[in-house]
Amino acid sequence: DTEVTQTPKHLVMGMTNKKSLKCEQHMGHRAMYWYKQKAKKPPELMFVYSYEKLSINESVPSRFSPECPNSSLLNLHLHALQPEDSALYLCASSQESRTGGNEQYFGPGTRLTVT
Amino acid sequence: GQQLNQSPQSMFIQEGEDVSMNCTSSSIFNTWLWYKQEPGEGPVLLIALYKAGELTSNGRLTAQFGITRKDSFLNISASIPSDVGIYFCAGVGSNDYKLSFGAGTTVTVRA
Repeated sequence: DTEVTQTPKHLVMGMTNKKSLKCEQHMGHRAMYWYKQKAKKPPELMFVYSYEKLSINESVPSRFSPECPNSSLLNLHLHALQPEDSALYLCASSQESRTGGNEQYFGPGTRLTVT
Repeated sequence: GQQLNQSPQSMFIQEGEDVSMNCTSSSIFNTWLWYKQEPGEGPVLLIALYKAGELTSNGRLTAQFGITRKDSFLNISASIPSDVGIYFCAGVGSNDYKLSFGAGTTVTVRA
C-alpha cells in the first residue's frame, strides 16, 4: 500500500479564518513533508518532519504552522492567510529523511482558495 | 533543491506514438524519480532509479539513470490518450531528503 490520504479535498477560507489540513499515511514511513504547488509548476517544499520532529522549515511564513501528532499523521494549521497563498497543498511521505535516495509518495492534495 | 533542466516543456502526442523526455542537472544525484500528475491530483510515482546506468521499465514506461549521474530520460511507448498529464523528473542527492524537480513536461493529445 503506497497511499497517502489528505483531507479536505477542497477548502475555501477567508483571510481571518483558521483552518487545518490533514494528512495520513500507513506505510510506516518516518519522514513526512508539506509542499505548496502553483498551477503548472513543480511542488515547492515547505516543511519536513523526520521521526515526528520538525527538521526543516523552508522559511515559510508563520501563518502556516505544521504539527506531527504521531508517526502516521501530519497537520498544517492555517491562520490569517493571504490570497496569494491559494494553491494545491501536497503532503508526501518517505521511509526516512536522514539518508538519501528515498522516494517520496504524494497524497492527492488539498486545493486551497483564500478569499 | 535546485531546479533541473527538463525538456521538452510540452509535447503533443498521437495515439500509438513513442515519446521521450529528459532531465539534466549540473549536480550529481543518487536517485532519479519520475512522477506523473493529472489535473487536480497529486504527483504519482512512476519509476525510481538508484544506480548509474540503470534502465528500468514499468509497463510502457522506460527510464534510465545516466552514466554521469547528472541526467535521466523517460520513454513512453505506444502512447494512449490516458498518458496526458504533466511529467516531472526529480533528483535526490546523497544524505539529502530534498527533491530537486524539473519544470515538467506537459503531454497533450494531438487533435
